Amino acid sequence: KAGVTQTPRYLIKTRGQQVTLSCSPISGHRSVSWYQQTPGQGLQFLFEYFSETQRNKGNFPGRFSGRQFSNSRSEMNVSTLELGDSALYLCASSLSRGSTDTQYFGPGTRLTVL
Amino acid sequence: AQSVTQLGSHVSVSEGALVLLRCNYSSSVPPYLFWYVQYPNQGLQLLLKYTSAATLVKGINGFEAEFKKSETSFHLTKPSAHMSDAAEYFCAVTTMGGGGGSNYKLTFGKGTLLTVNP
Repeated sequence: KAGVTQTPRYLIKTRGQQVTLSCSPISGHRSVSWYQQTPGQGLQFLFEYFSETQRNKGNFPGRFSGRQFSNSRSEMNVSTLELGDSALYLCASSLSRGSTDTQYFGPGTRLTVL
Repeated sequence: AQSVTQLGSHVSVSEGALVLLRCNYSSSVPPYLFWYVQYPNQGLQLLLKYTSAATLVKGINGFEAEFKKSETSFHLTKPSAHMSDAAEYFCAVTTMGGGGGSNYKLTFGKGTLLTVNP
C-alpha cells in the first residue's frame, strides 16, 4: 500500500506570497492532520480534517488554512507568507480519529520564505 | 494539558552500545504514547506505541519501550546500536484538541538526536 505523499517536496517563495501544499493520504484513511516543524518550535499541530470538515485546530493565525476533498486528499494554504513560515510541513493520515489511531507521516514539504 | 519531555537533545553512543532515550510524560489520566523516528530529509516513522495493553512495548528495528506509571516515563531502548540508527527520535502523547470530544492530536517532545560512533 502506498504511503502518504506530499507535493511539492521543496518550495521557495517570497514574503507576501501565498502557497498551497498538497497531501494524499494512505488509501482508506479518512483523517488528515498537518504539522509544522521548525528548529525553534519543534513539531506543532496545525489542524485536522475528517470527512471534508476541519475537526481540530492548533494555535496558528488565520493565514493558515486547509481543506479536504471527498477522496480524503488535503491541501494546506498559507497566505501572506512571512519569513517565520519557513519550515517543514508534515502531513499525517490515520484510519479514523481515535486516541490510539496511529498517524502515518509523509516526507514533508520544505518551504523556504525569502 | 498532557505533554512529554525528552531529556537530552543529543545522545551519542558507540556502535554496539546500549541506546537509551528518555521520555517523561505529564498526564492526569492514562496517556497513549508514541515513539517516532525521523531520518534526514524524511518524514516521521512510527517505532512503537503504548495503548495500555502491555507495559513493555516492542517496536521495529529492535527498539522497545517500557511504560512506568510510577515514574511517568516511557523510555526508548535498544540493546545494541547500529550505525543506521542515527536519526532524530520523538516521543509523543495523544492530547485532547480544541472542542473536546474526540478531537485528539499528537503533542511531541522536542526530539533527541542520536549519533552512533563507529
